[in-house]
Amino acid sequence: DAGITQSPRHKVTETGTPVTLRCHQTENHRYMYWYRQDPGHGLRLIHYSYGVKDTDKGEVSDGYSVSRSKTEDFLLTLESATSSQTSVYFCAISESLEGHQPQHFGDGTRLSIL
Amino acid sequence: AQKVTQAQTEISVVEKEDVTLDCVYETRDTTYYLFWYKQPPSGELVFLIRRNSFDEQNEISGRYSWNFQKSTSSFNFTITASQVVDSAVYFCALRSIQGAQKLVFGQGTRLTINP
Repeated sequence: DAGITQSPRHKVTETGTPVTLRCHQTENHRYMYWYRQDPGHGLRLIHYSYGVKDTDKGEVSDGYSVSRSKTEDFLLTLESATSSQTSVYFCAISESLEGHQPQHFGDGTRLSIL
Repeated sequence: AQKVTQAQTEISVVEKEDVTLDCVYETRDTTYYLFWYKQPPSGELVFLIRRNSFDEQNEISGRYSWNFQKSTSSFNFTITASQVVDSAVYFCALRSIQGAQKLVFGQGTRLTINP
């Protein structure tokens, strides 16, 4: 299994509070991704990183920010959580730009915003 | 724009039946990759198979087989002699060679195998 650890695994918080999710990898892969999974939508890309301090927006980036200060860590922050951000969040990693390399996923973080 | 459609939201079959999960995709790229992932009830995403746009050979792995037809932009997944352990949500995904290799997922098909 790819060495990807997401923390926390579960979190319940209130609307308006800041939330940070962490993705830690031990594979030294360059590319890291944050997705959210919602019923009827599959997984949708929030933000991704193609190197330390290099990040870009995905399909559903509004309300989210990311940071990558080290190769192994990719943080997803909800500055002021809203109920629409209740979801399951997955981190993924990829070794290279070779399209045949599959992305490998962490076990997910279930986030509930009350 | 790229798009993946899994029209079957839920499928329920009896154990030992064969079942096919459909996946239709849209892309303007000439080179791309298609993937299937499995999400069992425990929630993790498990990579099953990858296929590139230049390789239309079907693939078989045990009870699993995949049929890629570029002419119809489809990449269907068949489970033969289904088992209860096959119960999961299955996602089809498309990956461009452009940019940072982002994956575009279908909505997923929830497969239930009843004993």
